[in-house]
Amino acid sequence: VLTQSPATLSLSPGEGATLSCRASQSVGNYLAWYQQKPGQAPRLLMYEASNRAAGVPARFSGSGSGTDFTLTISYLEPEDFAIYYCQQGGSWPRTFGGGAKVEIK
Amino acid sequence: QVQLQESGPGLVKPSETLSLTCTVSGGSMGSYYWSWIRQPPGKGLEWIGYIYYSGSTNYNPSLKSRVSMSVDTSRNQLSLNLRSVTAADTAVYYCASGYSTYYFAFWGQGAQVAVSS
Repeated sequence: VLTQSPATLSLSPGEGATLSCRASQSVGNYLAWYQQKPGQAPRLLMYEASNRAAGVPARFSGSGSGTDFTLTISYLEPEDFAIYYCQQGGSWPRTFGGGAKVEIK
Repeated sequence: QVQLQESGPGLVKPSETLSLTCTVSGGSMGSYYWSWIRQPPGKGLEWIGYIYYSGSTNYNPSLKSRVSMSVDTSRNQLSLNLRSVTAADTAVYYCASGYSTYYFAFWGQGAQVAVSS
């Protein structure tokens, strides 16, 4: 089970955001992050905890291993307000966290 | 970069079989692992299963008794069948792929499927 916190962050553009994902058992570093905007498919942001996917801006960074992971957005651009999901690839079945909504304050 | 496009009926009757196809372009099917993922309205993401071009599969135990996947490399397509559907199977169904089974790098736009009589 993946637990994301907080469920909602209310922030202003330019502020930083820190999203947490905790796994009920170790998933090694097989943790990915996705961004989803309304009406769109999820977009891969980070894989293997800390690797940015192609085309992802450097303001996004990921860290962690084992059971505790963090996605950090150093400063929020208007296009970053969305829902973020973590996903573990360390065990079967693959599972996603419940999501964290980053909304404009 | 590989591109994915889901297609299939938007409405399925309860107890019937949901069938979707994903058409792949821009890449070799043998280079990727292929998955189906769904998202009920207003809810989170659920992994359904994955299939490799060789035909080997791995299904989510929660759906394993009702799901089957297949791949047709000659047509660059993969298929999903979900039997005995109920309203709880109403969701957007995504086709996704990656270079490994650990994460999903590429996604289709999704196919909205409603289960209703």
